[in-house]
Amino acid sequence: GQNIDQPTEMTATEGAIVQINCTYQTSGFNGLFWYQQHAGEAPTFLSYNVLDGLEEKGRFSSFLSRSKGYSYLLLKELQMKDSASYLCAVRDRPPTGGFKTIFGAGTRLFVKA
Amino acid sequence: DGGITQSPKYLFRKEGQNVTLSCEQNLNHDAMYWYRQDPGQGLRLIYYSQIVNDFQKGDIAEGYSVSREKKESFPLTVTSAQKNPTAFYLCASSNTGGAGYTFGSGTRLTVV
Repeated sequence: GQNIDQPTEMTATEGAIVQINCTYQTSGFNGLFWYQQHAGEAPTFLSYNVLDGLEEKGRFSSFLSRSKGYSYLLLKELQMKDSASYLCAVRDRPPTGGFKTIFGAGTRLFVKA
Repeated sequence: DGGITQSPKYLFRKEGQNVTLSCEQNLNHDAMYWYRQDPGQGLRLIYYSQIVNDFQKGDIAEGYSVSREKKESFPLTVTSAQKNPTAFYLCASSNTGGAGYTFGSGTRLTVV
């Protein structure tokens, strides 16, 4: 079946580094996404990994290991505005065709001063 | 500016009523999606459409209906058959197979 696991909550200090892990199981992997969602708002796209390795984009980096079914989102130089939920999502290509994106429940990150 | 617009932002429904949530995009995206978000759960797919005049059921389609008569529009009707409709509803669009979704700002539906 398809499943995505990520921690429910994390707390970190302003200026620090935090790593949010995501593990997944899918039959037709076709890419992994990270989204940021502030409370009551829409998710916004952060990163996309389809090949193994690290993708860096400013203070945010995302890593993928397809053989391990594992990804992480790394946030550096944390700011108070980074307090949000971070959603891991996997795009699957079912045998029937098309694409289907499955979302994890999200990790709520609290950044404290 | 291109984007995706959902309306209304807040919606109250009496039990037994049907309500329709609007979703419009001017990004020229082929694919559109409706998700439901409940506290502590991931986004769950209700319906999706990859081209005009065609749509597919997602994982939790029961009690919902959609139409895709225009590329720009993908309205969702929450029918009285949906037993637990109170939730945050998100519409999204993407290019088919593209990298990432663009989400609307969401509609919070409450049954009173």
